[in-house]
Amino acid sequence: DGGITQSPKYLFRKEGQNVTLSCEQNLNHDAMYWYRQDPGQGLRLIYYSQIVNDFQKGDIAEGYSVSREKKESFPLTVTSAQKNPTAFYLCASSPDSYSNQPQHFGDGTRLSIL
Amino acid sequence: GQNIDQPTEMTATEGAIVQINCTYQTSGFNGLFWYQQHAGEAPTFLSYNVLDGLEEKGRFSSFLSRSKGYSYLLLKELQMKDSASYLCAVRDRPNDYKLSFGAGTTVTVRA
Repeated sequence: DGGITQSPKYLFRKEGQNVTLSCEQNLNHDAMYWYRQDPGQGLRLIYYSQIVNDFQKGDIAEGYSVSREKKESFPLTVTSAQKNPTAFYLCASSPDSYSNQPQHFGDGTRLSIL
Repeated sequence: GQNIDQPTEMTATEGAIVQINCTYQTSGFNGLFWYQQHAGEAPTFLSYNVLDGLEEKGRFSSFLSRSKGYSYLLLKELQMKDSASYLCAVRDRPNDYKLSFGAGTTVTVRA
């Protein structure tokens, strides 16, 4: 079955440590997105990518980095510069950035600070 | 930028109807999505509106009024499994790639 796979489901970060969240999709979608979800708040866009080898900052990109070397993969690195990383991180994809097709979401990674 | 407002919580009885309102302000409007999200899980797509009017999909319907910046999601014949958070998301034409999400409405269905 086609879908989006995020791993790990739970992740713990030590102070000063960078961690990478994995996102893989086999839907053949061009566009991929990373969101952060905090309690009582809507999903906020961290980064998005419309095509391989291209990505753009979203609303809250500071302290995060991404790469898009393959169409299927869009990993997110939470760097030590992100001072409040505890949140639920959701990866999504869509056929492209401009159509009325909905974004499909992975099951998320919950990141906590040790 | 976007201002998207939804009620925080709603409670209803099994078998009843609940209407979740969403109001938004945009510089250009290019579509509104509703998603359902169970706790700790991925949001799943429910409906899409870009023109005024009602879209019906089984027990779920969604309405849009672009002139009023208003949408609602109507859940009929509520079931216990409908207990979840419902997210309203708006696409703003100048930045078509981006969906701006409301904070979500948590619906609790009681027996």
